Amino acid sequence: QERLQESGPGLVKPSQTLSLTCTVLGDPMDTTGYFWTWIRQHPGKGLEWIGFVDRTGNTAYNPSLKSRVSMTVDTSKNQFSLKLASVTAADTAVYYCVRPQFSGYDITHYGLWGQGTRVTITS
Amino acid sequence: EIVLTQSPATLSLSPGESATLSCETSQSFTSGHLAWYQQKPGLAPRLLIYSASSRVAGIPDRFVGSGSGTHFTLTISRLEPEDYAVYYCQQYNESPTTFGPGSRLDMK
Repeated sequence: QERLQESGPGLVKPSQTLSLTCTVLGDPMDTTGYFWTWIRQHPGKGLEWIGFVDRTGNTAYNPSLKSRVSMTVDTSKNQFSLKLASVTAADTAVYYCVRPQFSGYDITHYGLWGQGTRVTITS
Repeated sequence: EIVLTQSPATLSLSPGESATLSCETSQSFTSGHLAWYQQKPGLAPRLLIYSASSRVAGIPDRFVGSGSGTHFTLTISRLEPEDYAVYYCQQYNESPTTFGPGSRLDMK
C-alpha cells in the first residue's frame, strides 16, 4: 500500500528557507497522474493548502504563499519537495505531504497523507 | 477564496447518540465538491466523505454527508468511542481549496 513520508529539519531560523522532502513509497510517480500536494496545519488550528507539483514539474500555489513557495519533483527518487523562503514564526506548523484520492485531479480531495512533520521557526 | 464556517465549534455527546456537524460556505456551488475529514490527536486527517455524500471505502455507513449550495452536513449516527475527534470540511470547487476551522466532537 502506498505511503508518503516527509523529511527535513524540524527547526528553521527566521528569514531562512524551509526545505522539506516527501518520499512516495509505492508506485513510481512518473507512471501516475497525481498532483502531489503540500498542506500545513498551524498549532491548534485548521488546514492550509500550500500547493502542488505534478510529475512533469508543473506547479500551482496558494496565492497567499506564492511569492515564497517553490515545489519540485524528482521522479528518479520518487520524491517531491517544498521550499518556503523568508520564514517567520507564522510559518511554524505541521507540514503534510498529501496525495489526492484520485489521479488526474488537481484541486480535489485528499485520500493519502503523510504522518506530518513539525517545523518550528525559531532563532 | 471560498471561506468555510463550521458549527458547532465543540459538541459533547455520549456514545450511542447522533452528531450533526455543519459546514457553511461563503459561495454557493452546485458541483458538490465538498469533503469531510476526521482528525485525531497527533495523526493526519483521514478522508471520510467526498463529493458531499460519497463515503470512502471502509468508512462505516454511520457517517453520512449531505447538502448543497452553501450548506453541508456530516451526520454521525450511533456514536462509537473511536468517533471522538475533530472534523474538518473542505471545498474543492475552486482554487485555492480551503478548509473549515473544524468541529470538535467530545465524549460526554
